[in-house]
Amino acid sequence: AQSVAQPEDQVNVAEGNPLTVKCTYSVSGNPYLFWYVQYPNRGLQFLLKYITGDNLVKGSYGFEAEFNKSQTSFHLKKPSALVSDSALYFCAVRDMYSWGKLQFGAGTQVVVTP
Amino acid sequence: EAGVTQFPSHSVIEKGQTVTLRCDPISGHDNLYWYRRVMGKEIKFLLHFVKESKQDESGMPNNRFLAERTGGTYSTLKVQPAELEDSGVYFCASSQDQIKRDHNEQFFGPGTRLTVL
Repeated sequence: AQSVAQPEDQVNVAEGNPLTVKCTYSVSGNPYLFWYVQYPNRGLQFLLKYITGDNLVKGSYGFEAEFNKSQTSFHLKKPSALVSDSALYFCAVRDMYSWGKLQFGAGTQVVVTP
Repeated sequence: EAGVTQFPSHSVIEKGQTVTLRCDPISGHDNLYWYRRVMGKEIKFLLHFVKESKQDESGMPNNRFLAERTGGTYSTLKVQPAELEDSGVYFCASSQDQIKRDHNEQFFGPGTRLTVL
């Protein structure tokens, strides 16, 4: 069975500082990994995905994520956080045997203070 | 291009009543998914349509939930009768054809917040 863990309920960071949101996963076979962001009163927006290839994936709004197979992690990063990055972030995984069903983590609330 | 839309945005009903949620996917997207987030926990998969057919309904909690996608366009999710534990946010998502399994991302709607009193 596939599962995703986001160990932090909330991450607080000052504007301009680096932002990291952690995600670890468990899946059979090769994982397909995704990050989504939810702004207040909005749906989930796709940020980036890892399917295969380069372990460092670049996505929207200056975000990137690094796939680490040995640590089964897919942490989301941004070098310099903005107040507008304050939102709820979800990590999701799909295993290679599933058509499209995503397994999500519980979400991490990011708060960026001016 | 219009995104995934869901109706209503909020619904408050009493236990035992019926509620029907609607999802309109992005035009041309064959895949349609329903998910649910209950009480701030993880978003959980409910089911997956490919066109009008149910590809995977392993996440449907019980037979009080009925999903349809007539004609392969919009979808409805009916809860009858609703129970307190059904409260949560119901998300719909769609993605393009995956015959080639090219791992297209899913596009999500804003969700319907259901409150059962």
